[in-house]
Amino acid sequence: AQSVTQPDIHITVSEGASLELRCNYSYGATPYLFWYVQSPGQGLQLLLKYFSGDTLVQGIKGFEAEFKRSQSSFNLRKPSVHWSDAAEYFCAVEGDGQNFVFGPGTRLSVLP
Amino acid sequence: DSGVTQTPKHLITATGQRVTLRCSPRSGDLSVYWYQQSLDQGLQFLIQYYNGEERAKGNILERFSAQQFPDLHSELNLSSLELGDSALYFCASSVDPGETQYFGPGTRLLVL
Repeated sequence: AQSVTQPDIHITVSEGASLELRCNYSYGATPYLFWYVQSPGQGLQLLLKYFSGDTLVQGIKGFEAEFKRSQSSFNLRKPSVHWSDAAEYFCAVEGDGQNFVFGPGTRLSVLP
Repeated sequence: DSGVTQTPKHLITATGQRVTLRCSPRSGDLSVYWYQQSLDQGLQFLIQYYNGEERAKGNILERFSAQQFPDLHSELNLSSLELGDSALYFCASSVDPGETQYFGPGTRLLVL
């Protein structure tokens, strides 16, 4: 069965600083990987996804993620964080039976 | 706005009661997924339907059931409610299983 870990429960960065959120997955085959963002009191919004092909994936709001098979990782990055990026970020893997497994989430706080 | 609608937005009920949550998928989407989000369990996949048929089951309790109707809307029925069932319940939809899931705004259930 697949699983997802997000080692950082809470990250605080200053506005304008770069950001990297870590995600590690466990799955036997090539997974489908996703990053979602959840603002307070809101539903989940898809930031980007990896199905196959280029391992560097561009998403919305200036986010990108890189799939590294050797490290079983799919880290999310943004070169310059905006205050509006403060939210909860979830990494997810889709594997057997099209079941989605979400990581525990990383809460991002942005300092002015 | 993802195009997925969920009603009601909020629901307050008592232990032992039964409630029904409703989800309307995006136009053209045949797959519907249900998730539960709670502080202690995180985001948990409950069940998936595709074109009216149950396709995959996750961590869904026997007290919970769901169905997808011919018009593709779905309902999640929660019975014999317990305090621990208090959570945010999300519905998501996709064109086909394995495709990107788009999430609704959620129904917040409070069991007193």
